[in-house]
Amino acid sequence: GESVGLHLPTLSVQEGDNSIINCAYSNSASDYFIWYKQESGKGPQFIIDIRSNMDKRQGQRVTVLLNKTVKHLSLQIAATQPGDSAVYFCAEKGGSQGNLIFGKGTKLSVKP
Amino acid sequence: GAVVSQHPSWVICKSGTSVKIECRSLDFQATTMFWYRQFPKQSLMLMATSNEGSKATYEQGVEKDKFLINHASLTLSTLTVTSAHPEDSSFYICSAPGGGGTDTQYFGPGTRLTVL
Repeated sequence: GESVGLHLPTLSVQEGDNSIINCAYSNSASDYFIWYKQESGKGPQFIIDIRSNMDKRQGQRVTVLLNKTVKHLSLQIAATQPGDSAVYFCAEKGGSQGNLIFGKGTKLSVKP
Repeated sequence: GAVVSQHPSWVICKSGTSVKIECRSLDFQATTMFWYRQFPKQSLMLMATSNEGSKATYEQGVEKDKFLINHASLTLSTLTVTSAHPEDSSFYICSAPGGGGTDTQYFGPGTRLTVL
């Protein structure tokens, strides 16, 4: 079936550096994507979303880029901080029930 | 953003017993809620869609008689794991669309179930 996947399972960066987390999706009909941050033992926390009619969307220290040509999504975190350490999931609204389909997740580790 | 709560946050039970998990939307109404299950170091997998006033829709491979879902009101959905076994030990998370026509889904804090 259709699925959303991630290129990198783990990412280690130095504090203050920029982080880029990538995601590939396979359903070209998907029109809504979300990035979530999940800390250990907690539920996913909304970070930023983007619709398919946009290529880029910026939030506070985060930017999501969408490349529909190659079905690729990325999350950029500027000036990464230790508090950014978590697992990041991309998700697409593509389920038959209007549910989200999650990618496998990337663990981001920030070294002080 | 919209707030979703879950109760309890963790539960330990003996094999064969039943456990009820509550999911509440605190500041908005949700005609639909979603129940996910997450095993360690894995992604979230949809178990079922909870619909207020009608039967839940279960994903393939999820036993509806084992995982009972009741969407009693516009702010409450419950998941009951019946006759729980150790393989049911997992992190159960609910979500709900934020209301107002938004596609954004907000997640509860999750419930850690451990079956001995």
